[in-house]
Amino acid sequence: KQEVTQIPAALSVPEGENLVLNCSFTDSAIYNLQWFRQDPGKGLTSLLLIQSSQREQTSGRLNASLDKSSGRSTLYIAASQPGDSATYLCAVINSGNTPLVFGKGTRLSVIA
Amino acid sequence: ETGVTQSPTHLIKTRGQQVTLRCSSQSGHNTVSWYQQALGQGPQFIFQYYREEENGRGNFPPRFSGLQFPNYSSELNVNALELDDSALYLCASTMGLAGLETQYFGPGTRLLVL
Repeated sequence: KQEVTQIPAALSVPEGENLVLNCSFTDSAIYNLQWFRQDPGKGLTSLLLIQSSQREQTSGRLNASLDKSSGRSTLYIAASQPGDSATYLCAVINSGNTPLVFGKGTRLSVIA
Repeated sequence: ETGVTQSPTHLIKTRGQQVTLRCSSQSGHNTVSWYQQALGQGPQFIFQYYREEENGRGNFPPRFSGLQFPNYSSELNVNALELDDSALYLCASTMGLAGLETQYFGPGTRLLVL
């Protein structure tokens, strides 16, 4: 059974700092991995999707990497801003047409 | 904006009652999945519909049921509500088979069972 773990559970950083969020999964035979952002009480916004054949994806100040063999992904946020404060969720899919398996998320606070 | 809408946004029910939550997907998105997110947890998969047929189910009892309609809308029905059903319910849609492309989530329905 696939399990996804995110470390740390919560993180507080000063504005402008670069930071890394970690995600690990137990079954490395994934189809793809997706990072989401969730604001308090709101739905999920997809940030980046990495297919199993890819090593990384970039969008603006965000860069996500994937090391399938070791069961790890990282989300790098450059020059953090208070507007980045949210919970970041990592999710994997094991094969086509199977559901997303989520971690519990990392709650990020960026202090101005 | 993901193009996925959910209604209602909030709902309060009492134990034993029944509830219907609704989701409207983007045109052409023929796969819809429903997730339950308890406070402080990641979303948990309830079930998925593909072209109006159930196409996978998570570890939820039969009192959780659903429907998908030809107009890209869907419903989640929960009978005999229990206190532990209090959660944020999210629907997600995608074109084609889920997993091949990004899934787009709605804003969720917050259900409180008293």
